[in-house]
Amino acid sequence: DTGVSQDPRHKITKRGQNVTFRCDPISEHNRLYWYRQTLGQGPEFLTYFQNEAQLEKSRLLSDRFSAERPKGSFSTLEIQRTEQGDSAMYLCASTQGQSFTDTQYFGPGTRLTVL
Amino acid sequence: DAKTTQPPSMDCAEGRAANLPCNHSTISGNEYVYWYRQIHSQGPQYIIHGLKNNETNEMASLIITEDRKSSTLILPHATLRDTAVYYCIVRASGGGADGLTFGKGTHLIIQP
Repeated sequence: DTGVSQDPRHKITKRGQNVTFRCDPISEHNRLYWYRQTLGQGPEFLTYFQNEAQLEKSRLLSDRFSAERPKGSFSTLEIQRTEQGDSAMYLCASTQGQSFTDTQYFGPGTRLTVL
Repeated sequence: DAKTTQPPSMDCAEGRAANLPCNHSTISGNEYVYWYRQIHSQGPQYIIHGLKNNETNEMASLIITEDRKSSTLILPHATLRDTAVYYCIVRASGGGADGLTFGKGTHLIIQP
């Protein structure tokens, strides 16, 4: 079990640029979640996939954000025309979705800094 | 999901038991209490969860009051590596697919 992995771990970009993050969930986990965490706050839910289907989006997910999970395995989160307010830690989590306990296992996160 | 209230910070001496309280007075019958922790610059880590009975695993014990309006996470022999932000989360059972609702948690500092 290699755990949830995220790439890159750190990203620095200039305002207005596009960025893309990748998340590889635990093998055979069919649910995948994206969260955003700003300094001093707990993580906030952004969106969730059941296999390749994106089933829920938070109102925090503006039109500049898009997430995909094309083959039901890894997922990408893209932010277009980044703003300074997008600076945050972006966390990915996965779960089997078969057990009633539904424990979410988190990756190490991607820290985005928008200059 | 019901709202939770936790103290913003706590200190505990290394080797002693750390008792972290959580209030969830509006919890409903099908909602579980989950605890996660987040060590600096890492993703949250699952610790334990329970419905109404006390639970214990290799990491911690969870004590839930009989009325289920509050709970306590117990780390029996705290070490410096237990310094982290601890989040108490209440959510419905049944494999709920929605995201977890984190508050600000309790910053637990283990003192040498």
